[in-house]
This record gives sequence, structure tokens and C-alpha cells, in this order.
Amino acid sequence: KAGVTQTPRYLIKTRGQQVTLSCSPISGHRSVSWYQQTPGQGLQFLFEYFSETQRNKGNFPGRFSGRQFSNSRSEMNVSTLELGDSALYLCASSLKPGELFFGEGSRLTVL
Amino acid sequence: QQPVQSPQAVILREGEDAVINCSSSKALYSVHWYRQKHGEAPVFLMILLKGGEQKGHDKISASFNEKKQQSSLYLTASQLSYSGTYFCGTEISGGGADGLTFGKGTHLIIQP
Repeated sequence: KAGVTQTPRYLIKTRGQQVTLSCSPISGHRSVSWYQQTPGQGLQFLFEYFSETQRNKGNFPGRFSGRQFSNSRSEMNVSTLELGDSALYLCASSLKPGELFFGEGSRLTVL
Repeated sequence: QQPVQSPQAVILREGEDAVINCSSSKALYSVHWYRQKHGEAPVFLMILLKGGEQKGHDKISASFNEKKQQSSLYLTASQLSYSGTYFCGTEISGGGADGLTFGKGTHLIIQP
């Protein structure tokens, strides 16, 4: 069974640009959540989608947005990038609440 | 509010035991434990729901003290493969929609 797939794995952007990250969940998993991981703050919840609906959002500015498609694939977008947005962005899918299966992440560097 | 994990880091010899604690100032619905090896994705270990149950598999177990809002992860007779960063994630309400609030992690190094 294929795991959670995230693309791209690495990317470098400059301040002010925008970025779109993609996540393909495990087949059959309808819930997809996104987390930002940094050395200073650890893992922080961004948002969670279930059946194309955002069920909750973490404490991040409106520059961070996401969506989920009918096939459960999800994308997140960060607009007007700032240096502080440099992080590992992890996507996780789940079948049962709280039992998250993480992808390997997309490492974003903002210069 | 972010749960507090202790210790921040621990170094053990293979075969020794370790305890990692996770404390919250809020009443919790559940506590979740994950392990992340360097350069890899976090991997789910177990969930504990309020009610004070204890869970475990192999030589890794955990407990949840609802009165203290504290969970402890026990690693018995540690193996080299246990090395990594352990995160606890907490839920205030059930259902999974609120997302997990993770602690900053405990770095565990097992030496031969």
C-alpha cells in the first residue's frame, strides 16, 4: 500500500513569491492535515480537510491556504513568502481520528 | 497551548530504560505519541484516550493520567532502533478535526 506522497520534496523560493505544495494521501483516507515543522516551534497544525471541506485551521496568517480535491488529494499554498516560512511542511492522512500517517514532507527554503 | 515534554534530550546505553513525559495545562481528550528519525516522517506509535488507560506494544508502552493531564511514554530495554525524536500530540476534543498540538519533542539517543 503506497504511503503519503508529497511533492516537491525540496524547493527554494525568494521573499514575496508564492508556493504550492501537493499531497496524495493513502488510498481510502479522506482526512488530510498539514503541519509546519521548524527547529524552534516544532510541529504546528496548519489545517485539516475532510471530504473537500476545511474542518479546522491552526493559528497561521491568511497567506497560508489549502484545498482538497474530490480524490482526497490536497494542496497548500503560501503567498507572499517570508523568510520565516522556511520549514518542513508535512502532510498527513488518516482513516481514524488522530492516527496520522505522515509523508516525508516538502522542505521549503525562502531566501 | 503546547504540551510540555520532558526531558528535552536523553542519552542511554542499549538495554537501559527511558521515560518521556508530556504535560498539558488543559483538560485533554487524548494523547498521541509519534517517533521521528532524522530525515524521516514522524511515525505513529499509539493513542491514549482519557480514562487513564495504559497501552503498549513490544517494549514501548504509555499511560495517561487524566487527573494530572499527563502522559508518560516508557521504553523498556531500549534498542538502537529506538533512537529518534519523540513527540506527544494532544487533543482537547475528539474527532480529529481540531488537529494535534505537539510538544517540542524529546531527543533520544541510544548508544551501543
